[in-house]
Amino acid sequence: DMKVTQMPRYLIKRMGENVLLECGQDMSHETMYWYRQDPGLGLQLIYISYDVDSNSEGDIPKGYRVSRKKREHFSLILDSAKTNQTSVYFCASSEGAGAEQFFGPGTRLTVL
Amino acid sequence: AQSVTQPDARVTVSEGASLQLRCKYSYSGTPYLFWYVQYPRQGLQLLLKYYSGDPVVQGVNGFEAEFSKSNSSFHLRKASVHWSDSAVYFCALRTGGYKVVFGSGTRLLVSP
Repeated sequence: DMKVTQMPRYLIKRMGENVLLECGQDMSHETMYWYRQDPGLGLQLIYISYDVDSNSEGDIPKGYRVSRKKREHFSLILDSAKTNQTSVYFCASSEGAGAEQFFGPGTRLTVL
Repeated sequence: AQSVTQPDARVTVSEGASLQLRCKYSYSGTPYLFWYVQYPRQGLQLLLKYYSGDPVVQGVNGFEAEFSKSNSSFHLRKASVHWSDSAVYFCALRTGGYKVVFGSGTRLLVSP
């Protein structure tokens, strides 16, 4: 079953706390992505991972970092979260550069 | 710079009516184009994709899209909409490499 999972689905944090968002996929896809989705803005790319320990900044990487130690797992870390990082975060994976992306269900993060 | 524009933030159609959602892209090379759908509280799911060949591509659930290089467009169509088609629709463009640019989305409401 081709699936991308995200944990947790909902998260409330206080400003300054650290946040860990986790993503898994069971398709052995090399490429994985983290996006955030804000009303009226579509999806904005935070980071791309081409494979284990091979990550690249996207369009809005400031305030975020990522970790990929296993092909099937990709983490997004917010060190000292800010209120403007309140958003819905989506993880996606794809088989190759031109292939479709498979998306997880999203994590709704609120930073108070 | 590459970009995707979905000029209609919201579209309302009656059940059984035909539908067209507009998408314009900006890219000088050969684009890879996608339409995704997002149902409430879910991730994005692929409707259809265009790489090359026949400019009219068929997707799931009766959706189709037509690529026009001269107009830089990739409009989504459906002959007869159902209430279950109510969702947010995203047009996306892959320009090269692994990055995909998303439009801001069109919220479709199908009225009874």
